[in-house]
Amino acid sequence: EVQLVESGGGLIQPGGSLRLSCAASGFTVSSNYMSWVRQAPGKGLEWVSVIYSGGSTYYADSVKGRFTISRDNSKNTLYLQMNSLRAEDTAVYYCARLSTFGGVIPDAFDIWGQGTMVTVSS
Amino acid sequence: DIQMTQSPSTLSASVGDRVTITCRASQSISSWLAWYQQKPGKAPKLLIYKASSLESGVPSRFSGSGSGTEFTLTISSLQPDDFATYYCQQYNSYRWTFGQGTKVEIK
Repeated sequence: EVQLVESGGGLIQPGGSLRLSCAASGFTVSSNYMSWVRQAPGKGLEWVSVIYSGGSTYYADSVKGRFTISRDNSKNTLYLQMNSLRAEDTAVYYCARLSTFGGVIPDAFDIWGQGTMVTVSS
Repeated sequence: DIQMTQSPSTLSASVGDRVTITCRASQSISSWLAWYQQKPGKAPKLLIYKASSLESGVPSRFSGSGSGTEFTLTISSLQPDDFATYYCQQYNSYRWTFGQGTKVEIK
């Protein structure tokens, strides 16, 4: 079964760090385009970061320089290292697979995890 | 960055109604437009990709159309399971942006 399971969320003070994990099953993380999307309480969806199968990474301006996306091929797991956390980073963080649907552009998120909650508060 | 604007923000409808949600991009995105359904406490679910392609397993009452800057999601006959929030999403230049969402409520 194709599945993504996030972990690592919790309550963290402003300025702190947290690492989220996303374990994949049923497909290979390193062969796919993998992303993090977040949703603040009661708000809409915001793309955060992506790692391409070739290793290139891209970030939303709101997290650039503070967050780092990476993967461990041996564990088939995606990570998001979050540093210098702010109150506005409070959200449910989803990992998601981007699909090209047979083309070359990873244009839509076809597989999602259940999400992990990150709360930044003193 | 490209902005995505959905309308309406909230829609009240009855079972059996035909429902249309609009999504406008601040500049042309060709057909790089997807639609998602999200229920409270759950992850989004992909419905439509490349503006009009139905994701596997999604009921045929869902359809998408449009290109360039204006897109629509249509539910031909609203079912009880369809009451949810719907989001559009675009891709352009290594950026993925979502609309603000449209909540479909029971009338």
